[in-house]
Amino acid sequence: DTEVTQTPKHLVMGMTNKKSLKCEQHMGHRAMYWYKQKAKKPPELMFVYSYEKLSINESVPSRFSPECPNSSLLNLHLHALQPEDSALYLCASSHDRGREKLFFGSGTQLSVL
Amino acid sequence: GESVGLHLPTLSVQEGDNSIINCAYSNSASDYFIWYKQESGKGPQFIIDIRSNMDKRQGQRVTVLLNKTVKHLSLQIAATQPGDSAVYFCAERGGTSYGKLTFGQGTILTVHP
Repeated sequence: DTEVTQTPKHLVMGMTNKKSLKCEQHMGHRAMYWYKQKAKKPPELMFVYSYEKLSINESVPSRFSPECPNSSLLNLHLHALQPEDSALYLCASSHDRGREKLFFGSGTQLSVL
Repeated sequence: GESVGLHLPTLSVQEGDNSIINCAYSNSASDYFIWYKQESGKGPQFIIDIRSNMDKRQGQRVTVLLNKTVKHLSLQIAATQPGDSAVYFCAERGGTSYGKLTFGQGTILTVHP
């Protein structure tokens, strides 16, 4: 199984809503990542978890709150987002933080109204 | 042909031709490079990687060349097929920045039957 599964595939939310994005992998990977991708742009790193601990936060606004409940799961909690946060949110995993052959999920397309 | 401008660089080829996608990187400390393919509505898919102690690596129908002197990376695709049409991203890890992959701007490859 070389899949990273993300849910939901699409999400529309208002600026006052609270929602969560979910990501799951069963490859035994110990590093998990959140990337943000705007249309026609490259993915941009947001967070890195290594062995279930947050190891990199790329100065992401606090309205994005990551969580890694266990080695297979990664969540991204969203609260009070802005329309400019609309983007494709990609989850990825790798064997560990020192091996950056990342496996990506298909992403959640988020629209903030 | 290939064009670079305000939009993503594009490369148009005929089916059966060989394609070469180029990428310039700026960090001389980067020690690991990776090529991804991203189809519409999907997450990036791993194609091939190379470490800085190598200058060439081959996969199935793909070859990556690394020229550290001029900080240039290229992806060669042999006998390009319509299914190869996608956006191609190079990504680099900057030396000891474990866990941090920085993506290039991407190139749109269109293969005409």
